[in-house]
Amino acid sequence: AQTVTQSQPEMSVQEAETVTLSCTYDTSESDYYLFWYKQPPSRQMILVIRQEAYKQQNATENRFSVNFQKAAKSFSLKISDSQLGDAAMYFCAYRGYGQNFVFGPGTRLSVLP
Amino acid sequence: DTGVSQDPRHKITKRGQNVTFRCDPISEHNRLYWYRQTLGQGPEFLTYFQNEAQLEKSRLLSDRFSAERPKGSFSTLEIQRTEQGDSAMYLCASSLTSGGNEQFFGPGTRLTVL
Repeated sequence: AQTVTQSQPEMSVQEAETVTLSCTYDTSESDYYLFWYKQPPSRQMILVIRQEAYKQQNATENRFSVNFQKAAKSFSLKISDSQLGDAAMYFCAYRGYGQNFVFGPGTRLSVLP
Repeated sequence: DTGVSQDPRHKITKRGQNVTFRCDPISEHNRLYWYRQTLGQGPEFLTYFQNEAQLEKSRLLSDRFSAERPKGSFSTLEIQRTEQGDSAMYLCASSLTSGGNEQFFGPGTRLTVL
């Protein structure tokens, strides 16, 4: 079975600075998708960014980018120019072909003014 | 389309009672998922449907839990004989079928079992 690990239960970053959240996963599949979801306090979970495993190029969405290392099974999220609104729980998720999503335990990000 | 909706948003019940939650997915989404989330943890998969067919159910899911999606649209999750350990946030999500499509989450139903 696939597993997703997020080794940083909590992180903090100064406003306007850059922070990187770590995620590793375990799978025997070669084709899969990886996601980062954001869950603000008392609000719905929303997608931040996704990566297809067959693509070597790292995904980027505005201030959010990933460092996808397929051989190392690593999928970190970099947030640049951090804003107060980025404060949330961040979940890394894995989806194999045709399968359900497997989520990591999450990292709570605090943004300091 | 207003997104995924869930009802009720909060439910307080006494141990031993049955509860039922409803999820209305985004209309064109054929996949619907149920998750349980406890405080400070990631969502834990419970079950999912493709249209009206329940394709997978977590092995961790007690027989007290049952889910339906009778017409391939809305879904219900029922918990029978609730226990205090069932207290959690129950999340519903929907997506299109193919693998890279994101899940859209509802606001969740927070269950408290006294």
